[in-house]
Amino acid sequence: GNSVTQMEGPVTLSEEAFLTINCTYTATGYPSLFWYVQYPGEGLQLLLKATKADDKGSNKGFEATYRKETTSFHLEKGSVQVSDSAVYFCALTANAGGTSYGKLTFGQGTILTVHP
Amino acid sequence: NAGVMQNPRHLVRRRGQEARLRCSPMKGHSHVYWYRQLPEEGLKFMVYLQKENIIDESGMPKERFSAEFPKEGPSILRIQQVVRGDSAAYFCASSPPNPTYEQYFGPGTRLTVT
Repeated sequence: GNSVTQMEGPVTLSEEAFLTINCTYTATGYPSLFWYVQYPGEGLQLLLKATKADDKGSNKGFEATYRKETTSFHLEKGSVQVSDSAVYFCALTANAGGTSYGKLTFGQGTILTVHP
Repeated sequence: NAGVMQNPRHLVRRRGQEARLRCSPMKGHSHVYWYRQLPEEGLKFMVYLQKENIIDESGMPKERFSAEFPKEGPSILRIQQVVRGDSAAYFCASSPPNPTYEQYFGPGTRLTVT
């Protein structure tokens, strides 16, 4: 079956530090990959996505590249801010036959805390 | 365009009562998904519905849980005879009929069973 593995947290960084959160996946076919962010007490917001190999998703200074050869989708940001403190979830949806099956499989989430 | 709406935001039930969670998808979205987030865990898929149809309920517990998405009105997740282990955050997401592969999440309903 499909699965997503994220690096264990929590991750604590100082403001302006470089961020990497590792994500690897197992899936049949050619999944679409996502990063979602959850701020305290809120629902999930889509941060970025990639739908095919070598695609790079980017948003708000965050980037992730769909690497089929290593089945990875690592999240990076060059300079984090205090406002980036949140929980980050890597997820995939497996698209069988070109149709959107839709069901998201999530990693366990990584808590990021950024200090001033 | 209003986002996905869920109510109530917080729900407290005693063991044995019923819990009803509502989800109104974004305008124009006809696909609804329910996920459960247990404490200290990630989100787990429960059920995927389109209007008047259950497409995939492979993540639903076999007993006490049911879901519907009627032609008119919100999607409802119903939990009968709640137990303490049902305490969790329940999130609804919606997506448009075209396969964009993106789901938009509501703020969640936090269920506490006492």
